[in-house]
Amino acid sequence: AQSVTQLGSHVSVSEGALVLLRCNYSSSVPPYLFWYVQYPNQGLQLLLKYTTGATLVKGINGFEAEFKKSETSFHLTKPSAHMSDAAEYFCAVRAGAAGNKLTFGGGTRVLVKP
Amino acid sequence: GAVVSQHPSRVICKSGTSVKIECRSLDFQATTMFWYRQFPKQSLMLMATSNEGSKATYEQGVEKDKFLINHASLTLSTLTVTSAHPEDSSFYICSAPRTGGAYGYTFGSGTRLTVV
Repeated sequence: AQSVTQLGSHVSVSEGALVLLRCNYSSSVPPYLFWYVQYPNQGLQLLLKYTTGATLVKGINGFEAEFKKSETSFHLTKPSAHMSDAAEYFCAVRAGAAGNKLTFGGGTRVLVKP
Repeated sequence: GAVVSQHPSRVICKSGTSVKIECRSLDFQATTMFWYRQFPKQSLMLMATSNEGSKATYEQGVEKDKFLINHASLTLSTLTVTSAHPEDSSFYICSAPRTGGAYGYTFGSGTRLTVV
């Protein structure tokens, strides 16, 4: 079984400041990890994913995340926040290639202050 | 890219009636469809997994007689909320896993169900 914990249900950042969203996972097999963004009343959009290979993953809209096995973490960062980054962000884990289901974290709502 | 079209985007229904939500894969074959429920300001909770041509698999605590799932073709999966009650009001999202080693998922745009 796998699980995901997102530390902080709300994060407030100033425009231009660093965005850091924390995600820790638990998985009995090598995980595949995902970050999604959700705007109000919409579905989820993939920001980036880690399956195998390079542990630093770059995604869309300037986001990146680093898979750290020793820390069981997959934190999401963006060097400079933009007003359009205000949204809900979800970290999710899948049990590797053999798995199929996604397990989501509780989500982190990002507020960007001008 | 792979697209899942979900309809309707919003629906209001009277208590006791049934509502059908459709998810269509537009440019790929979705042999599997996941159905999620999301309460306001909460995460997505997996309700059930539908597989084309077979019975859906429901997560623990989800009433299969209330949430009827049909996956009759490789491009269409439906969720019917039967005898809806106000507590069924929620945001429902479908998602299809992508194949070919992409290991990704395509999400529908969601359906906001309000039962009055």
